[in-house]
Formats: sequence, structure tokens, C-alpha cells
Amino acid sequence: GDSVTQMEGPVTLSEEAFLTINCTYTATGYPSLFWYVQYPGEGLQLLLKATKADDKGSNKGFEATYRKETTSFHLEKGSVQVSDSAVYFCALYSSASKIIFGSGTRLSIRP
Amino acid sequence: DAGVTQSPTHLIKTRGQQVTLRCSPKSGHDTVSWYQQALGQGPQFIFQYYEEEERQRGNFPDRFSGHQFPNYSSELNVNALLLGDSALYLCASRSSRILVAYEQYFGPGTRLTVT
Repeated sequence: GDSVTQMEGPVTLSEEAFLTINCTYTATGYPSLFWYVQYPGEGLQLLLKATKADDKGSNKGFEATYRKETTSFHLEKGSVQVSDSAVYFCALYSSASKIIFGSGTRLSIRP
Repeated sequence: DAGVTQSPTHLIKTRGQQVTLRCSPKSGHDTVSWYQQALGQGPQFIFQYYEEEERQRGNFPDRFSGHQFPNYSSELNVNALLLGDSALYLCASRSSRILVAYEQYFGPGTRLTVT
């Protein structure tokens, strides 16, 4: 069945460092891909999305490109801030009309 | 415009008991999905309700059941609670009239602890 595999955490970086969180997927067809963020004590928020191959989703300085050839959707940010500390989930919208999530990557940013 | 709301925020139950969690969808939404997020894991799809019927179901036992009311709100019921049912339960809503079916909005969740 469809699945998402993402980089295990926790990831700890210094402020203004470059961030990459790897994500690969297995799916039938061409699913829509997402990154969700979960801040401490809050619910899931959609961070960005891409609906077809080569699409680039972007929001709040974060970017991810839908790579069909490598079945990947890596999350990147050029300069992280302390406020980016959260858990990040890679996800896909499956052919069975449900969202399938990766296991999450906890990101901590040091001032 | 209120988003997705869930109640209660936290709940502590004993093994073998039954629990009911509640969800009110975002205004204008008619489809509700429930997810279980165990500690340190990603959310797992439990089921989806539309027009007061269960439309999709994930890999969860029959102890997990649900209901949707005419006002589109929903309940998740779990019977014979196990320690492993301890998790954050998330509700997500969307509108069936929007073709972009992945456009779901999540509530803050109910934290269930089974002792």
C-alpha cells in the first residue's frame, strides 16, 4: 500500500542554518504531497503542498519539490529560526481518499 | 469563523472502559475524518464520515466506531480500552463540494490516556 518514509529525528540546528528533511514515498499513481507542521501543544497545520510532478510548494521560507523520478519530496529552508522548532510530517493523499503521514521529524533550533 | 473544534482536550480512562470523543467541523464542511496519533508517530487514519455514514476505514478494530450527526458534527467511540489506545486523536474536516479532496483542516486533538 501507499506509504511515506521520512528522516528520523530529532534534528538540532543553530539559528540561520540550512535545513533539509528528507522524505520519500511509495504510492499508486501520482498522489498529492504535503508537509504538515505541529507546533508544541497545537494541532496539525498544512505547511505546503504539491499536486503534480516538478511542482514546488513553498510557504514561510520552506520549500519542497515533487520529484517523481526519485519519489521524493524533501523539505528545505535556507535559514531557520528558533520559531521553526516543531515536528514536521511528510504526507500524501492516497487513492483511497485518506492522508497517509510519515512518522514525523522533530526539529529543534538553538539560538 | 471557528475552525475544527474537539472536546474534551484531555481525558484519562482506565483499561476496559469506553470513551467518546467529539468533533465539530469547520463551518461549511460536511465530511469528517478521525486520526490516531501515538506518541512519536504520525497520525493514522481511522475512518471518515459523510452523510452520516462511514465511507472509508483504516486498519482499526471494531472497538473503534463513530457517528455523524445531521449538523455534520461527529463522535469517535472506543470500547474496551487498551493501554495502547493512549494517543492524540485528531479530527479533520473538509467540504465535499470542493474538488480538492485533500483540503482538510485539523482540530487541536483530544489527548487520551489509558491507565
